[in-house]
This record gives sequence, C-alpha cells and structure tokens, in this order.
Amino acid sequence: GNSVTQMEGPVTLSEEAFLTINCTYTATGYPSLFWYVQYPGEGLQLLLKATKADDKGSNKGFEATYRKETTSFHLEKGSVQVSDSAVYFCALTTASGGYQKVTFGTGTKLQVIP
Amino acid sequence: DSGVTQTPKHLITATGQRVTLRCSPRSGDLSVYWYQQSLDQGLQFLIQYYNGEERAKGNILERFSAQQFPDLHSELNLSSLELGDSALYFCASSVTRDAQETQYFGPGTRLLVL
Repeated sequence: GNSVTQMEGPVTLSEEAFLTINCTYTATGYPSLFWYVQYPGEGLQLLLKATKADDKGSNKGFEATYRKETTSFHLEKGSVQVSDSAVYFCALTTASGGYQKVTFGTGTKLQVIP
Repeated sequence: DSGVTQTPKHLITATGQRVTLRCSPRSGDLSVYWYQQSLDQGLQFLIQYYNGEERAKGNILERFSAQQFPDLHSELNLSSLELGDSALYFCASSVTRDAQETQYFGPGTRLLVL
C-alpha cells in the first residue's frame, strides 16, 4: 500500500533560519504529492503540490521538488518567520479503481522563535 | 478561506449520544472526504463521496455513517459516542484538473465527548 513518512517534530528554528522538512513516500503508480499546513486552531490548507517527477511546487517562499529517484518531496524555505509556526503534512494521491486514494503523513510541527 | 464550510464549529456531548456533522463543499466540487484528526491517531481518512455515491472507505467505524445529498452537501453521523471519539473532524472537497485531484479542507468540527 501507499505510505508517507515525515521527519518527527517538533522542529524548532530561530527566525530567518533555513527550513527543511523531510518527506519520503512509497506508492504504486504515479502519485501526485502535496504539502498541507495547519495553523493552530485551523483546518488544513494546501501549501503546494507537484504532479509529476521533477516538478517543483512553490508558494509563500516554500518549495518542494518531486524526486522520483529518491521518492522524496522535501519541504524547504530559505528564511522562516514566526508566522510559519504550524504543523506541516506531506500527502500523496494515487488513482485506484477509478478514484483517487489519499495518504497523509503524520505531520511535523514547526516552531519558529524570534 | 478554502470555500468549504463545516458546522458546527464545536460540539460537546456525552457518551452514548449521537451527533451529526455537516459539510458544504466548494461550489462545483463533486467529491467530499471526511477525516478524523486526533492526538494519538493523527489524520485518518474516513470516507469519500462523489456526486451522492460512496466512493471509498477508510478507517471508519461501524458506529459512523455518512451521506451526500443531491445538493452535494454531506453529513457525517456519529452514534453511540465514546470518549475516544473526541477529535477534530474535517471534511474536504476536491477538484480534478488534467486528471490530478486537489483537496480543499474545511475548518473542522471539534467534537468533545464527556
């Protein structure tokens, strides 16, 4: 079956530090890959996505590149802000029996301190 | 704002009771997904509906059921509630473009079973 593995948190960084949150996956077929962000007390928001190998998703200074050879989709940001403190979920979807099957990672909590 | 609405925002009830959570998808989205997010289990996929029909089932208990109505809103019914059912329940609707699906999450309903 499909699975998504994320680095365990919490990840604590100082403001303006470089962020990497690792995500690796196993999947049958050709998955689409996603990062979602959940701010405290809120629902999940789509942050970025990539639908095929070597695609780079980007949004709000965050980037992730779909690496098929390493089955990875690591999230990066060059300079984090306190407002980036949230839980980040890596996810994938694959087509299965005519519908899309979604699998989420366990989430990585990011804490950015001033 | 994702365009997906959920009501109520908070719900407090007692063990053994039954509750109904409601979700309205984004305009034009035919798919609705339900998820449960708890501290010990993470984010778990419960069930998916597409245009009124059940499409996929995840880790949904037999005490739980859902349906999607002709106007595409969906309801998740939780019965014989137990303390362990306390969690955040999300719904998401999705759009498929170029054979790729993206899910948009509602703000969630926080259920507390006492």
